[in-house]
Amino acid sequence: DGGITQSPKYLFRKEGQNVTLSCEQNLNHDAMYWYRQDPGQGLRLIYYSQIVNDFQKGDIAEGYSVSREKKESFPLTVTSAQKNPTAFYLCASTRDRRETQYFGPGTRLLVL
Amino acid sequence: AQTVTQSQPEMSVQEAETVTLSCTYDTSESDYYLFWYKQPPSRQMILVIRQEAYKQQNATENRFSVNFQKAAKSFSLKISDSQLGDAAMYFCAYRRRQGGSEKLVFGKGTKLTVNP
Repeated sequence: DGGITQSPKYLFRKEGQNVTLSCEQNLNHDAMYWYRQDPGQGLRLIYYSQIVNDFQKGDIAEGYSVSREKKESFPLTVTSAQKNPTAFYLCASTRDRRETQYFGPGTRLLVL
Repeated sequence: AQTVTQSQPEMSVQEAETVTLSCTYDTSESDYYLFWYKQPPSRQMILVIRQEAYKQQNATENRFSVNFQKAAKSFSLKISDSQLGDAAMYFCAYRRRQGGSEKLVFGKGTKLTVNP
């Protein structure tokens, strides 16, 4: 089945640790996005990529990093510089930048 | 800056009744897209309906329809014959252009409860 997968479903981070969230899609979509969702808030854009080996910062990129080495994959690293990482993280993709975005099931990140 | 406002943090409706969720947005663009997404307890974001600003006709998807008032910058979602499975958070989103790319801006959401 075509779709977007995110792993893990739950992730725990210790103080000072970097963690990486996985996002994979087999929809042959060019563009991929990472959003953060906090309680009582809408989604906020962290990073996005419109093509392999290229990505841009969104509205809240500080403390995060990404890579886009393959069309299918867009991993997000939450670095130790992100002081408040506890949130729900959603990955999305779209065939091109003018099309509708479709979302993965999300990863919940908790700090120990 | 483009913003999206959902003025109803929570709404409730009786099963089989109709409910309308409100959304207003602010933009200086003339060509844009608007969306309603549903987020059930599983937290997966699911597209409900989308509207192209250049189309005067309101979008409809089965029991879901919108009332798009471009001049008033209003984009409400009507759910007819509400079902228990409609209970979820509903997010209104505007797609903006920035730096040659298209990005979604979300409202804070409306929590819909469906009472049996």
